Amino acid sequence: DAGVTQSPTHLIKTRGQQVTLRCSPISGHKSVSWYQQVLGQGPQFIFQYYEKEERGRGNFPDRFSARQFPNYSSELNVNALLLGDSALYLCASSFPGVGETQYFGPGTRLLVL
Amino acid sequence: QQQVKQSPQSLIVQKGGISIINCAYENTAFDYFPWYQQFPGKGPALLIAIRPDVSEKKEGRFTISFNKSAKQFSLHIMDSQPGDSATYFCAASYGGSNYKLTFGKGTLLTVNP
Repeated sequence: DAGVTQSPTHLIKTRGQQVTLRCSPISGHKSVSWYQQVLGQGPQFIFQYYEKEERGRGNFPDRFSARQFPNYSSELNVNALLLGDSALYLCASSFPGVGETQYFGPGTRLLVL
Repeated sequence: QQQVKQSPQSLIVQKGGISIINCAYENTAFDYFPWYQQFPGKGPALLIAIRPDVSEKKEGRFTISFNKSAKQFSLHIMDSQPGDSATYFCAASYGGSNYKLTFGKGTLLTVNP
């Protein structure tokens, strides 16, 4: 079975631009989470969506938004990009329940110039 | 505020040796403690996880030791192999919100042949 897939793999943007990142969860998984991983740091939680509803949000500005589609895939949007938004953006999917495991995709590496 | 502190930042071990990575947490509400392994260019992958009702969990060469009173937990890799060379992250979450993981900063493990 295919794991979590993300697109694009790499992206270069300039300050002030907007970016959309995409994620397809593992088949059967209904929950998608987004994390930001800055170089040399651990991933930081941004959002989680379950059944198209936002279930949790981390400490990120309103420039970050996300949504989940009926097929459970998800998009992460970042507006007015800053240099500090340069990072690896990770998507994780899970099947909600006790002890749910987060399965991570390979990430999208975003570079803001 | 860093809620999960991980040490050491990097670790070099000889093949066959024991690798030990430590984490300390501040939030006593945390009730789920996973360890993730990340190879370059890949997303984190769950290695092993523990809940605070047990003091130790072993899966193959990997063991988590948990000390609730000290708010510390550690990963032991027995008979370390060059293929174990990767970055290891501890994480924690609470209240059934296992999707909202708080990660440590990571430990780069190098196992020399």
